[in-house]
Amino acid sequence: DGGITQSPKYLFRKEGQNVTLSCEQNLNHDAMYWYRQDPGQGLRLIYYSQIVNDFQKGDIAEGYSVSREKKESFPLTVTSAQKNPTAFYLCASSRQGLNTGELFFGEGSRLTVL
Amino acid sequence: GIQVEQSPPDLILQEGANSTLRCNFSDSVNNLQWFHQNPWGQLINLFYIPSGTKQNGRLSATTVATERYSLLYISSSQTTDSGVYFCAVGVSGGYQKVTFGTGTKLQVIP
Repeated sequence: DGGITQSPKYLFRKEGQNVTLSCEQNLNHDAMYWYRQDPGQGLRLIYYSQIVNDFQKGDIAEGYSVSREKKESFPLTVTSAQKNPTAFYLCASSRQGLNTGELFFGEGSRLTVL
Repeated sequence: GIQVEQSPPDLILQEGANSTLRCNFSDSVNNLQWFHQNPWGQLINLFYIPSGTKQNGRLSATTVATERYSLLYISSSQTTDSGVYFCAVGVSGGYQKVTFGTGTKLQVIP
């Protein structure tokens, strides 16, 4: 079945360590996104990518980095510069185009920094 | 940037009751989606509805783009409807940027 796969689902890390969250999609979508959700809050955009080898900062990009070397993959690295990395991270994808912005989400990765 | 507000923020319903959730947005949008976030955190697509009305079983949605709001109707609510409902709007400016609302937390009690 087509969909978006995020891994790992749960991740524990010590403060000061970089971590990379995986996001893979087989929907043949051009655009991919990373969102962060804190408890009881809405979703905030970290980074997005419209095509391979191109990505733009969202509203809260500081302390994060991404790459888009393949259409199917959009990994997110949470660096030690991110001050409050403990959160729920959601990856999404959509077809490219003006009126094709329907988002589809993965199941999320829950990161806890100890 | 565009502001997206949802109301009410919290809602408690008796099983079988009906409800209406509202999403207001501050500027013109190209698309609008409603999601249900289940207790495990997964976001389930309910409707992709930039304008007009759609129905899917007990759920329906209406977007009036010219007046900058959308409504989600839940009829004959069930305990499995519990969770958080998000509205998300897309604005095109050479790219599709999607902004999420603040969410409505729904609890359906037996």
